[in-house]
Parts: sequence; structure tokens; C-alpha cells
Amino acid sequence: GQNIDQPTEMTATEGAIVQINCTYQTSGFNGLFWYQQHAGEAPTFLSYNVLDGLEEKGRFSSFLSRSKGYSYLLLKELQMKDSASYLCAVLDSNYQLIWGAGTKLIIKP
Amino acid sequence: DTAVSQTPKYLVTQMGNDKSIKCEQNLGHDTMYWYKQDSKKFLKIMFSYNNKELIINETVPNRFSPKSPDKAHLNLHINSLELGDSAVYFCASSQDVSELAGGRDTQYFGPGTRLTVL
Repeated sequence: GQNIDQPTEMTATEGAIVQINCTYQTSGFNGLFWYQQHAGEAPTFLSYNVLDGLEEKGRFSSFLSRSKGYSYLLLKELQMKDSASYLCAVLDSNYQLIWGAGTKLIIKP
Repeated sequence: DTAVSQTPKYLVTQMGNDKSIKCEQNLGHDTMYWYKQDSKKFLKIMFSYNNKELIINETVPNRFSPKSPDKAHLNLHINSLELGDSAVYFCASSQDVSELAGGRDTQYFGPGTRLTVL
């Protein structure tokens, strides 16, 4: 079966750095997405990786290792508004997005 | 302008009733989706439509039926509602699913409809 694993919850301090991990086992791979979802709101796109390595976009970076079935989202200079759930999703060989349950990130002052 | 809109935002109803949730996108996308997000926060794909043709139909009860009058709309009709149907339902759209590969496109989500069945 297809599976996406993420930690359920993480806590970090304002101004610090946090890394959210995602491991996956899917039928084929056409890329990995990270989405941010604030409580009571819709998911919004953060990043996409299809090649191994690090993609940087401002305070957020996303890393992919296809051989290990592993990705992480790195958030720097954390702000209170970064408190949200972060969803990892993999596009499988049928171009279907397989979603993880998300990691709830709590930022403390 | 709202890219993907859903109505209603909240829906409270009794078991056994029939209800519909409407979705519209003004992005000119070819593909629309319905997701269910339960209390455990898993996003589960229910349906997707590409140019009015159903291309994904996951193992959802046949009480759920998607209806697409045109490319910009994908409505979700639910018959004989059950307690377990309580969840947040998200509509989303994108260009053709193959455009998701390579990062040429992403899915855009509506604001969600919180359905509570009593």
C-alpha cells in the first residue's frame, strides 16, 4: 500500500529553526509537495521537489532524497504566524496525490 | 476574486437527509477534485473530474455523487447522510493532472465546507 509518514506534532520557539520530516512509500513518484494549512482554513502550496536536493524559498526550504523516500521542510526564523499544520503529499505514478496526515507545528514565544 | 469557492461554509443537518455542496473555480482549470478531511486531518481524495469526465473514483459510498454541469463547477451531492460523514470537505482544482508533475502546476483549494451530521 501507499503510505506517507509525518510526526503528528512539533513545538518550536519563535526565531528558531525547525525541520519537519516526511517519509513515503508510493506506487511511483512524480514529485513531492508541501502544503501549509492554518486551523480552519484550506491548504496552500508551499513547495515542490522532484529532483534530489534542497529547494530554497525565502525562510522555507524543502529537501528530497528519492533513494531514501525522504523529504523535509525547513523553516527558519520562525514567526508566530507559522503555527499551522504542514502537509506532505506525493504525486504517484497515476498522477494521484497521496497525502500525509500533516504535522501540527506549535510556535511558542 | 476568489479562485475556488464553495458553498455553504458550514452545514449542519440530520441523519438521513440529502444535501449538496457547490464548488466553482474561475481559474480556467481542466480538473477539479473533492477531498474529505476527517478529525484525524487526513486529506482523502474522493473524486476528480477532467473536462466533465470522472477520472478518479475512490472507494467512497455510492451515496456520494459528484455532478459537473460545466468545467468550472463540480458539486457534491450526498444522500442519506450518516454520522460518519461529518468532516470538512474541500474542493480543489488544477490544470491537467500531468501538469502537477514537474511542478508546473499545483492544486488550489477552496475554503472548505464543515459538515456536521446530528
